[in-house]
Amino acid sequence: NAGVTQTPKFQVLKTGQSMTLQCAQDMNHEYMSWYRQDPGMGLRLIHYSVGAGITDQGEVPNGYNVSRSTTEDFPLRLLSAAPSQTSVYFCASSFSGDFWTGELFFGEGSRLTVL
Amino acid sequence: DQQVKQNSPSLSVQEGRISILNCDYTNSMFDYFLWYKKYPAEGPTFLISISSIKDKNEDGRFTVFLNKSAKHLSLHIVPSQPGDSAVYFCAAAAGGTSYGKLTFGQGTILTVHP
Repeated sequence: NAGVTQTPKFQVLKTGQSMTLQCAQDMNHEYMSWYRQDPGMGLRLIHYSVGAGITDQGEVPNGYNVSRSTTEDFPLRLLSAAPSQTSVYFCASSFSGDFWTGELFFGEGSRLTVL
Repeated sequence: DQQVKQNSPSLSVQEGRISILNCDYTNSMFDYFLWYKKYPAEGPTFLISISSIKDKNEDGRFTVFLNKSAKHLSLHIVPSQPGDSAVYFCAAAAGGTSYGKLTFGQGTILTVHP
């Protein structure tokens, strides 16, 4: 049982480049989300999705795009990378509706450096 | 505007003693609170939660207390063990949320010395 899988684990980009962070879950969770973790800031919500075809913005969405074409996958796209996007990114998923327990299942994280 | 705050960046405790981690929140709409634990190079893992209809929830060595009037919650770990050394995040969910849209605090680094 893989849980939540994120790729790549590490990435270095130059300013202006674009890339996609991949996230996949095998738990049939409706809810998926992306957080970034920065020193002294905790985890901040970037985008989330409550099901295939439905996405919404979180607290810090600027510079990022998401789409949800399947229940399993929730990729995060950086359109034009900036040094301010240097961070550790976490994908998370959970049950929703009547099955929601409050528990988010996180991936191991993707460390991104933008030069 | 930080809606969930953990004002202590770090806490150091001796093995066997009690660890108390604190968290304050400002949004009155929050009615479900959670604690997560994070080891280096890993994702956060769920530890314990509490609904606003309760003021205490226990799970083994971990107890979470909620004081709604003070908008304050705390996590007690008794007894503390070296393996508890990690970053602890508190998180909150708003009323009516039926999925995991959580607001996190900044985290507290707990170090338990043998």
